[in-house]
Amino acid sequence: NAGVTQTPKFRILKIGQSMTLQCAQDMNHNYMYWYRQDPGMGLKLIYYSVGAGITDKGEVPNGYNVSRSTTEDFPLRLELAAPSQTSVYFCASSGPSYGYTFGSGTRLTVV
Amino acid sequence: GESVGLHLPTLSVQEGDNSIINCAYSNSASDYFIWYKQESGKGPQFIIDIRSNMDKRQGQRVTVLLNKTVKHLSLQIAATQPGDSAVYFCAEIGFNRDDKIIFGKGTRLHILP
Repeated sequence: NAGVTQTPKFRILKIGQSMTLQCAQDMNHNYMYWYRQDPGMGLKLIYYSVGAGITDKGEVPNGYNVSRSTTEDFPLRLELAAPSQTSVYFCASSGPSYGYTFGSGTRLTVV
Repeated sequence: GESVGLHLPTLSVQEGDNSIINCAYSNSASDYFIWYKQESGKGPQFIIDIRSNMDKRQGQRVTVLLNKTVKHLSLQIAATQPGDSAVYFCAEIGFNRDDKIIFGKGTRLHILP
């Protein structure tokens, strides 16, 4: 049981480039979330999904897009990378209970 | 807006002593509270939770106290160990299952030898 798996672990992007951060969970959780964590700060919600085919914006959605075609996968897309998107990105999922299971994070640097 | 905050950004505790990490919340409608531990380079890990109809809950070496009158949450760690060094986040969530968790900024717990 792998839990929540995020790839890649590290990535450096140039300004204007695009990339997709992958997130997969094998717990059959309906709820999935994307957070970003800036240095010394807490977690800010980017997007979330309550089930396959349903997504919604969180606190800081600008510059990002998501899709949820399956229960297992919840990729996060950056279309035109900007330095302000330099951060650590965490994916999480939750099931019938409220507790979240987090992935190990993707450290993204935009230069 | 409503938010979850923390009283202290950094807490230094002698190894073996008890640690108390505090958290203030402002949303009186929050129904459920969680403490997470985040070690360096890792994602947050669930420690313990408490519902709004409780005022205390104990786990292994950890206790969470909830004071709804003053909207205060605390995490007590007994006999602090080096492995307890981490950033601790409190989080709150409303009554509805679709409500999103609101995380505080976190408190860094530093263990002194």
